[in-house]
Amino acid sequence: EVQLVESGGGLVQPGRSLRLSCAASGFTFDDYAMHWVRQAPGKGLEWVSGISWNSGSIGYADSVKGRFTISRDNAKNSLYLQMNSLRAEDTALYYCAKDMRADTVSDAFDIWGQGTMVTVSS
Amino acid sequence: QSVLTQPPSASGTPGQRVTISCSGSSSNIGSNTVNWYQQLPGTAPKLLIYSNNQRPSGVPDRFSGSKSGTSASLAISGLQSEDEADYYCAAWDDSLNGPWVVFGGGTKLTVL
Repeated sequence: EVQLVESGGGLVQPGRSLRLSCAASGFTFDDYAMHWVRQAPGKGLEWVSGISWNSGSIGYADSVKGRFTISRDNAKNSLYLQMNSLRAEDTALYYCAKDMRADTVSDAFDIWGQGTMVTVSS
Repeated sequence: QSVLTQPPSASGTPGQRVTISCSGSSSNIGSNTVNWYQQLPGTAPKLLIYSNNQRPSGVPDRFSGSKSGTSASLAISGLQSEDEADYYCAAWDDSLNGPWVVFGGGTKLTVL
């Protein structure tokens, strides 16, 4: 079964850091780009960051550029999001999503995890 | 404020056909394909339509997509109660140093 399982969320104070993880199974992880998408409570979807299959291409939303770092470990079938200098507006459910197309980066995400909640508050 | 513009709400009765619009610009919808996602209450989004009008395996043919210029539409025919959900459009954005992917603000579909 193709599956993505996020972890690492929690309550953190403004200015602190948090590292999210996403464990992938059921598909050849290193064939596909991966993405993080977040959803603030009661709000819509926002693409946060994406990384190509070989980490050669990485992108960020303007709202997180310079504060968040995406990475992946293909040997461990895992995706990560290092979040520094967290702000209240980063409070959201963070989803890990698999790119639909192999060997490229696209905007179609065919598999999503259940999400991990990040709450930034003092 | 989302880069792609969708109506916040839509509604229809069972069996009816409803459409949801998505408006963008030359850097996103105007030069790239559009995808649609369905998010049922309390669940993760699901890819509903990709490349403007393609359905992933398992998506009923009641769902269809189209694109013209800088706008796109999702149509749902034979509306069913289980279609009540939030729907999001998304597209690649070619803006220099901008985000790779932009989403619409979402449309909440209510089945009356």
